[in-house]
Amino acid sequence: DQQVKQNSPSLSVQEGRISILNCDYTNSMFDYFLWYKKYPAEGPTFLISISSIKDKNEDGRFTVFLNKSAKHLSLHIVPSQPGDSAVYFCAATRLSGTYKYIFGTGTRLKVLA
Amino acid sequence: DSGVTQTPKHLITATGQRVTLRCSPRSGDLSVYWYQQSLDQGLQFLIQYYNGEERAKGNILERFSAQQFPDLHSELNLSSLELGDSALYFCASSAKFGSNYGYTFGSGTRLTVV
Repeated sequence: DQQVKQNSPSLSVQEGRISILNCDYTNSMFDYFLWYKKYPAEGPTFLISISSIKDKNEDGRFTVFLNKSAKHLSLHIVPSQPGDSAVYFCAATRLSGTYKYIFGTGTRLKVLA
Repeated sequence: DSGVTQTPKHLITATGQRVTLRCSPRSGDLSVYWYQQSLDQGLQFLIQYYNGEERAKGNILERFSAQQFPDLHSELNLSSLELGDSALYFCASSAKFGSNYGYTFGSGTRLTVV
């Protein structure tokens, strides 16, 4: 049972444009969501997170939006840069639990110069 | 350098063998998590330890086991290896049960079973 889904395996965007990566979840008990970025031959690195009490969190060029009723979150990158090319994973957890993160399958973003 | 150290970086072994993957968490972190990433798959949660005790278990096979030692380093033992066990194995650590800044991952161990 895939509780966190990223339905787009890949995405290509022109440099300077907006990249939108999507993530859906099924477990309504999740209350904390994160995005990780992964370059080849490296471990995932934390990018941005959002609590379920918010619907938006912004950090520089990165903004995460949460729609609880739709059980959907998205990551917006504006403007996209070639260095953003990586695999992006969304993850979800319950803060009252063990902090075990459930990850999606990832979206490979390619930013074209 | 994330502060989480995983050794070895690469491992090639034959089917039926046993291997041990090692993880040293970031200084001060008490929780260690193990994840498996197979080809084109997401990160599958295997097991979590907190201060030496098992806290959560995911889709970890019975052939796999783990432990966290008093110095907080952790080992993941994989036995009776099969071709399908070939994957990237990541260790992550966090303070207490977690933090608002997410886990810190190591760079992974790439296991190839031939």
